Amino acid sequence: TQLLEQSPQFLSIQEGENLTVYCNSSSVFSSLQWYRQEPGEGPVLLVTVVTGGEVKKLKRLTFQFGDARKDSSLHITAAQPGDTGLYLCAGPFMTGKLIFGQGTTLQVKP
Amino acid sequence: KAGVTQTPRYLIKTRGQQVTLSCSPISGHRSVSWYQQTPGQGLQFLFEYFSETQRNKGNFPGRFSGRQFSNSRSEMNVSTLELGDSALYLCASSPLGQETQYFGPGTRLLVL
Repeated sequence: TQLLEQSPQFLSIQEGENLTVYCNSSSVFSSLQWYRQEPGEGPVLLVTVVTGGEVKKLKRLTFQFGDARKDSSLHITAAQPGDTGLYLCAGPFMTGKLIFGQGTTLQVKP
Repeated sequence: KAGVTQTPRYLIKTRGQQVTLSCSPISGHRSVSWYQQTPGQGLQFLFEYFSETQRNKGNFPGRFSGRQFSNSRSEMNVSTLELGDSALYLCASSPLGQETQYFGPGTRLLVL
């Protein structure tokens, strides 16, 4: 059973479009993290959300943590080709262990 | 601060061999976790070490083992390699008291 469900799994859009990626769980998490991973590299941390209802912005990326701390979303405004990559949400399951969603592969075409 | 480093970056082995991968965490981080990433299974937790002790272990066979040294550097070993062990092996470190993990670039292992 996947504790964190991400949707969609694949997304191919044109430069300038907006998109939202969802990360859902039936479990409550103390925090959720979003990572971006490029082929052949390790995941790079984008943001950690900790408080229910929290919204964090990172340039054109907006992250939201659900009020009940069971879900999160990542919204990208005016996507650029440089946003292409695998987006992963992750939550702590036990000390030192993160549970990852299956990821969303985003392709932004020029 | 320098990030998490992993060596080697790429490795080719044959079935039945064993392999050792190395990870140096961010300076001051004492927790080191290892993950296996494959296209089919995604990122799966292998084990986590803190102060030279394994604190948590994922659902992998005993062929997968690890250790941590007094300087927090960590190694993982896979014995009797199988074709299915081909994957990207990622190491991540965390500062004390934080759940956020910082990943290295990974070691790409190919088993032929």
